Amino acid sequence: GQNIDQPTEMTATEGAIVQINCTYQTSGFNGLFWYQQHAGEAPTFLSYNVLDGLEEKGRFSSFLSRSKGYSYLLLKELQMKDSASYLCAVRDNQAGTALIFGKGTTLSVSS
Amino acid sequence: DAMVIQNPRYQVTQFGKPVTLSCSQTLNHNVMYWYQQKSSQAPKLLFHYYDKDFNNEADTPDNFQSRRPNTSFCFLDIRSPGLGDTAMYLCATSPRDRGANQPQHFGDGTRLSIL
Repeated sequence: GQNIDQPTEMTATEGAIVQINCTYQTSGFNGLFWYQQHAGEAPTFLSYNVLDGLEEKGRFSSFLSRSKGYSYLLLKELQMKDSASYLCAVRDNQAGTALIFGKGTTLSVSS
Repeated sequence: DAMVIQNPRYQVTQFGKPVTLSCSQTLNHNVMYWYQQKSSQAPKLLFHYYDKDFNNEADTPDNFQSRRPNTSFCFLDIRSPGLGDTAMYLCATSPRDRGANQPQHFGDGTRLSIL
């Protein structure tokens, strides 16, 4: 079966660093994506990992450990505009190119 | 420039009255997807097209249908909407190559309310 878990909610303050964890179980792992989704809007692509290790892109970084079925998204120098839902999604070989999404982590950034 | 365009952005319809949502793309991607996202839940794949090949998810309700008349357009038809179909409907596209680092590109979604 396929299962993706991430925390429901997190809070942080401006300028801080926050780490959003995601664990997954799939039968044919073929990549992990992180998306940002503001309320009432479409998900927008943040990062992609298919090999173990850290991918850095500006203030955002994403890490993957395939043996542990684990990923995290690291957000640095938080800004108010980073308040959003962060979706972890896995591509499974059995699903072709379709993505299996977690329920998302709602991040609230306060001043 | 909008690359995946969904119309309408908001749709209110009556219980049992057929409704059609549309999606168009300027990316020339082979694959198009329809997702349903209910409040505070994950997007759930309903079906997708590889070119004209239709792939239905096993648990997609029978009253949900889709059409893809050409590469650029894809439609979601709900024949007899129920109250439980109130949700955001997301259209997405991607190139066909599975091995590449290719994210899905989402439209802004259609927020559908069934009264």
